[in-house]
Amino acid sequence: GAGVSQSPRYKVAKRGQDVALRCDPISGHVSLFWYQQALGQGPEFLTYFQNEAQLDKSGLPSDRFFAERPEGSVSTLKIQRTQQEDSAVYLCASSLVTGLNTEAFFGQGTRLTVV
Amino acid sequence: DAKTTQPNSMESNEEEPVHLPCNHSTISGTDYIHWYRQLPSQGPEYVIHGLTSNVNNRMASLAIAEDRKSSTLILHRATLRDAAVYYCILRGVTKTGANNLFFGTGTRLTVIP
Repeated sequence: GAGVSQSPRYKVAKRGQDVALRCDPISGHVSLFWYQQALGQGPEFLTYFQNEAQLDKSGLPSDRFFAERPEGSVSTLKIQRTQQEDSAVYLCASSLVTGLNTEAFFGQGTRLTVV
Repeated sequence: DAKTTQPNSMESNEEEPVHLPCNHSTISGTDYIHWYRQLPSQGPEYVIHGLTSNVNNRMASLAIAEDRKSSTLILHRATLRDAAVYYCILRGVTKTGANNLFFGTGTRLTVIP
């Protein structure tokens, strides 16, 4: 089947605008992760869901960032009042089960540019 | 979260083996060693993982030191398509019970034709 799908692929937002980034994980995958990747850096963890439960949101940089996965499948990352420092690629990943020895599948990411 | 140390960059000639090192001296007994790679403009892609024993799959081999404080990803014959940033990651259970992947800065592999 299809892999992890993210939309939009590219988003340009004016400073102060709200944005919503969508992630469609692989069907049936329990775990879902969001990462932020600045240019030239490795991905930085933002938040983790196990089904619909957000078990870890320690990586969210501010209260302007909010993520949800209400039915345990599709997830949305929302950024309110975007700032220039929010410009980055936002990556979503999913895993079939929880566990330290499982493979995570990543989407291609959404490149957000705040102008 | 336990950290890993990798060289910033490495070069290899095409069709030759590549050994990508990783140090993880603070690894805990339950941490798994994962390797992912990221091609330009793509999301990271799983390569291989292991706990204690060496591992082989169709993409690569993973050699883990006996004390687990270091590991080496081995690409047996580098191709131009292997040019990517390679991340060595320790995957363990966090305080919240999650099992996140914490990426470092990785090693940028350049393959020379």
